[in-house]
Amino acid sequence: GESVGLHLPTLSVQEGDNSIINCAYSNSASDYFIWYKQESGKGPQFIIDIRSNMDKRQGQRVTVLLNKTVKHLSLQIAATQPGDSAVYFCAENRNNAGNMLTFGGGTRLMVKP
Amino acid sequence: KAGVTQTPRYLIKTRGQQVTLSCSPISGHRSVSWYQQTPGQGLQFLFEYFSETQRNKGNFPGRFSGRQFSNSRSEMNVSTLELGDSALYLCASSLAREGYTFGSGTRLTVV
Repeated sequence: GESVGLHLPTLSVQEGDNSIINCAYSNSASDYFIWYKQESGKGPQFIIDIRSNMDKRQGQRVTVLLNKTVKHLSLQIAATQPGDSAVYFCAENRNNAGNMLTFGGGTRLMVKP
Repeated sequence: KAGVTQTPRYLIKTRGQQVTLSCSPISGHRSVSWYQQTPGQGLQFLFEYFSETQRNKGNFPGRFSGRQFSNSRSEMNVSTLELGDSALYLCASSLAREGYTFGSGTRLTVV
């Protein structure tokens, strides 16, 4: 079925290094993508989003890349900090699906001091 | 600016009972969506309400229902609770097709 998936369930990085979290989506009708961060005991927190008419979008220490050809999304975190340790989810929204998001399985990012 | 408020934060219910969860969206947000999060299934869409109307519905049984009030606050109800309904129930509000903001969720445990 149509889904959004993640390649790596756990990513361990050294503090100060850059992190890259990947996500594959299968629905070509998706035109809006969001990355969320979820810490233990909390709801998902919005990080950054991107529309399908863009290939790249940058925020504070984060960059999202969208490759529509291979239906791939990535989140890059620069100078990873211990506070970045969390589970990261990608989500997609189709343009005729109202506000229904389809989430990937999540990647746990562990930052080693 | 207040965020999305979900009540209660924690809930323990017995099999067969019913439960009602509440969500107050960000002021001005008319869309409210509900999600179920479990370790096995991840985050799954339950339903979305916009201007008091259900606009989308996920693949959940009819025991799961919801509604939205004129002030955009929303409630979801689960009847005849099963052990498998134990989950974190998340509510998200948005102004349009972006800016989805989640609440902290209601942790439901069915025993």
